Amino acid sequence: EIVLTQSPGTLSLSPGERATLSCRASESISSSYLAWYQQKPGQAPRLLIYGASNRATGIPDRFSGSGSGSDFTLTFSRLEPEDYAVYYCQHYAGSPRITFGQGTRLEIK
Amino acid sequence: EVQLVESGGGLVQPGGSLRLSCAASGFTFSGFSMNWVRQAPGKGLEWVSSISSGSATIYYADSVKGRFTISRDNAESSLFLQMNSLRDDDTAVYFCARDRRIVAAGTDYYYMDVWGKGTTVTVSS
Repeated sequence: EIVLTQSPGTLSLSPGERATLSCRASESISSSYLAWYQQKPGQAPRLLIYGASNRATGIPDRFSGSGSGSDFTLTFSRLEPEDYAVYYCQHYAGSPRITFGQGTRLEIK
Repeated sequence: EVQLVESGGGLVQPGGSLRLSCAASGFTFSGFSMNWVRQAPGKGLEWVSSISSGSATIYYADSVKGRFTISRDNAESSLFLQMNSLRDDDTAVYFCARDRRIVAAGTDYYYMDVWGKGTTVTVSS
């Protein structure tokens, strides 16, 4: 089973700063099956990025995804107050092999 | 508006049963595979089960195999999760999520694009 490890566990930054979140797979994976989700307290996850670098409908362009092989990154060019949340990466290796990373909490500094 | 609304959660004793429902609206439910994903208190997301659009293909996580049963009623645009032999570690918020697999420019993509707000299951004596 592919394990996704996200880092850091918590990231403390101020609004306006640039943020970089990492998702590392235990082996090389297809980037087309790597997605990122945002989750705010008490809310459902929200799709941000699919295929490692494609923004979902309605997602602002300050969010970007990149990476290949086993290393993937979610980048915020400039943090807005509404961006503070927990972020998860997800990989699909064919059901029943759908896995999530443990999450990165992005908090206001 | 595309929407998923879960219901059926509650407090149940260990060994008990519960049936979750997910009502879909705003899209052609019968055209999509669906998933259940859960989140234990203070923890991350865990995929639980998936079912294809016509119910022909069903998968379960090892943690629930043999205890949970996923099903759907396309005529009623509803997804279900029958949970038996519940354990303390089944305590979680259960989300239903729409499955998307698309092909664009020759590349196959997978993601879950619509999620419900979740229903809470608490297993405790």
